Parts: sequence; C-alpha cells; structure tokens
Amino acid sequence: GENVEQHPSTLSVQEGDSAVIKCTYSDSASNYFPWYKQELGKGPQLIIDIRSNVGEKKDQRIAVTLNKTAKHFSLHITETQPEDSAVYFCAATPNSGNTPLVFGKGTRLSVIA
Amino acid sequence: SAVISQKPSRDICQRGTSLTIQCQVDSQVTMMFWYRQQPGQSLTLIATANQGSEATYESGFVIDKFPISRPNLTFSTLTVSNMSPEDSSIYLCSVQGVTEAFFGQGTRLTVV
Repeated sequence: GENVEQHPSTLSVQEGDSAVIKCTYSDSASNYFPWYKQELGKGPQLIIDIRSNVGEKKDQRIAVTLNKTAKHFSLHITETQPEDSAVYFCAATPNSGNTPLVFGKGTRLSVIA
Repeated sequence: SAVISQKPSRDICQRGTSLTIQCQVDSQVTMMFWYRQQPGQSLTLIATANQGSEATYESGFVIDKFPISRPNLTFSTLTVSNMSPEDSSIYLCSVQGVTEAFFGQGTRLTVV
C-alpha cells in the first residue's frame, strides 16, 4: 500500500519568510495529493491540492509542486504570517473518490512575529 | 462540498466503558472513513464504512473494539469499546468527493 513520508516534523520561520514542507510517496498509482492545515482543536482543513497531470499549482501565498518521476511533492508558503502557525499534513491516494487518503506524519509550523 | 457534523466534540470517559461517536453528512455518500489521531500524531485510518455491508478494518483495528454502523448513506457511528487510557485520541470521520476529502471536527476522547 501507499506510504507517505513528510519532512520536517517541525519548522520555525520568521514572519515574512518562506516555508517549505516536503513529502514523498511510494505508490506510483497515486494521483491525488492534498495538503491539510490543522489548527488546535479542529479537524483538518484542505488548503490546496494537486493532481498527477499538473506539475505546479498556486493559490495566493500557497503553492504545491509535484514531481511524479521522483514521487515527491512540496508545499510552499510565502510571506508567512503568524496565523499560518499550525500543523500541516500531506496526503496521497490513487483515487480521490473511493480510496482513503494516506497521510504524512505532519509538520508543526511556527511563524515567529 | 460536504458538511459533516460529528458529535460529541469531546468526552472524558472511565476505563472499561464504551463511547459511540456519531457522524452526519449533509449529502449521500457511498463511503465514509473513520480515522484516529493520537496525541501529536498523524491520522491513521481505522476502517471504511459502506452502507449495506460490514466495515472494512485496517491492520491493527478489529470490529470487537471499534464496531461501526452505517444504516444509511448520510450517517455512521463508531463505537470505542472497553476503553483504556491508550484509546485517548481524536477520532475523525471523513468523506471523499470527486475533488477533495471532507472531515468532521473530530471527537477528542480522554480515557481516565
């Protein structure tokens, strides 16, 4: 089955700097790669996702890149703000409709004002 | 999109007792997924619940400990049975649409 590795486990950045979180996956059949943000006491919230037919996707300060050959994908947050502080999870699945997501272990991002 | 209502949001339970968590979705879905998130950890899939059939459990999870009901296409329950402190976790239900997965707010369970 799918295995997702996520690094780093913790990340501290100064406000305004960029943050990058990286994930690798094992199943070449995976074709859907979402990123979730989880704030304390809340369920995971989707912030951006990418499918295997796209190499990069951007939404304001957040971008995700995918390298299918190397089986890795990354989350990039630019101009970080204190409210970006949270735990971020990457995930992968071969079928977004019927197959459950396999999650990375999470990255605790702290943005220091 | 889908809106998932999960309850209770939190509970403190005595060891040896059971807790049933409910998950209501505002649209009909074929599959519902139950995850466990232990303190400071990632989400681990417990089981997949299909309406009209028995749930499919992942390795390390058994029906006697985590019985699941799926009486219709909008509702599911997960019971945590004969609880021990090791069961203290956040439990989340989830559904997956064509474009994204949706999660309930989670049930924060503490077993004392």
